[in-house]
Amino acid sequence: SQTIHQWPATLVQPVGSPLSLECTVEGTSNPNLYWYRQAAGRGLQLLFYSVGIGQISSEVPQNLSASRPQDRQFILSSKKLLLSDSGFYLCAWRTSGVYNEQFFGPGTRLTVL
Amino acid sequence: RKEVEQDPGPFNVPEGATVAFNCTYSNSASQSFFWYRQDCRKEPKLLMSVYSSGNEDGRFTAQLNRASQYISLLIRDSKLSDSATYLCVVNKSGTYKYIFGTGTRLKVLA
Repeated sequence: SQTIHQWPATLVQPVGSPLSLECTVEGTSNPNLYWYRQAAGRGLQLLFYSVGIGQISSEVPQNLSASRPQDRQFILSSKKLLLSDSGFYLCAWRTSGVYNEQFFGPGTRLTVL
Repeated sequence: RKEVEQDPGPFNVPEGATVAFNCTYSNSASQSFFWYRQDCRKEPKLLMSVYSSGNEDGRFTAQLNRASQYISLLIRDSKLSDSATYLCVVNKSGTYKYIFGTGTRLKVLA
């Protein structure tokens, strides 16, 4: 069965510091991978999408970037965090098939101070 | 107009009650529909995919009305453990993008 991992689970970072969040998927090959952010009391905002190694689509221009160095690894980064980057960061993968269901990792809760 | 709209609630219902949520979507090309459940400070978890003919899973029933562009979720015999936020999600066939509603909060009261 497929499993999706994210780490760290929680993170507190000062404004201006760098960021690296990692997501890995097990049990499937060539998954479509997503990064979302959920701000407090808000809906999920799509940040990045990837169909394969080195292929990244950005939905929201901002100080975040994503990379996919391996088939089942997806990394979210920032060189300098802003207060507005605080939120719940979720990685997801989707099945291929008629319904293309998405499954989420446990998330990383980021607080920027 | 938002692409996916949900009543934020909260819906406060007693244990054992039946409760229904609706979700409207604006893009008629939307093809796949889902209900997710999200507990406080946790990731969303897939509850049901919504089939064109409607589908049922135990106490949960999902319906799709393409003509009126809405999907619904019916929960029968509510349990305390059903308390959560329910997210409506739509996906246009052939695209990678999923549009999430902001969720409907359900509180089941003892």
